[in-house]
Amino acid sequence: QKEVEQDPGPLSVPEGAIVSLNCTYSNSAFQYFMWYRQYSRKGPELLMYTYSSGNKEDGRFTAQVDKSSKYISLFIRDSQPSDSATYLCAMSWVDSSYKLIFGSGTRLLVRP
Amino acid sequence: NAGVTQTPKFQVLKTGQSMTLQCAQDMNHNSMYWYRQDPGMGLRLIYYSASEGTTDKGEVPNGYNVSRLNKREFSLRLESAAPSQTSVYFCASTTGGTGELFFGEGSRLTVL
Repeated sequence: QKEVEQDPGPLSVPEGAIVSLNCTYSNSAFQYFMWYRQYSRKGPELLMYTYSSGNKEDGRFTAQVDKSSKYISLFIRDSQPSDSATYLCAMSWVDSSYKLIFGSGTRLLVRP
Repeated sequence: NAGVTQTPKFQVLKTGQSMTLQCAQDMNHNSMYWYRQDPGMGLRLIYYSASEGTTDKGEVPNGYNVSRLNKREFSLRLESAAPSQTSVYFCASTTGGTGELFFGEGSRLTVL
């Protein structure tokens, strides 16, 4: 069993839809939770960062962490074709030298 | 601002050949990382360097060596390439804090 599980998709939605992306994990030591966005043939770039449990909102993006269920989510409101990319969840723990454990990524396609 | 620069961007090798992937960052970051990305597997850590002068193994180090040449540069060497090392390789760096990793654009390696 992988430490971090993520549905690979692809997930295809119409423009303007609300998108929900999710990851589950098994290591209760994880304290830092991140979402990276990766466009085709590019390197990943940080989209959202959350420490421990709770919600964080940034514009159209909301990240949620439920440590009791070992489940994290990324919501995208009013999705745009420019949101079409692969979304990778990533996690880390205290004193990890910032080593991240990544999910396999969910490919999202937003149709105009 | 170049960020993280990787060379070469593309490379084709024959089984048994050796090569070095170069990475340089201009953000004065202390920590640097090499990941590989394979379909369905996400990003997996090969080696990392928490600070200049130190290197440590990650999740999948076999068949690779690294050198932290100075604070800016971190190279990854394949001594005897195998088809299983066909992948996209990403270099990343961070200054710490939130642990946000800044990635290069990747080096696509094919081993025949």
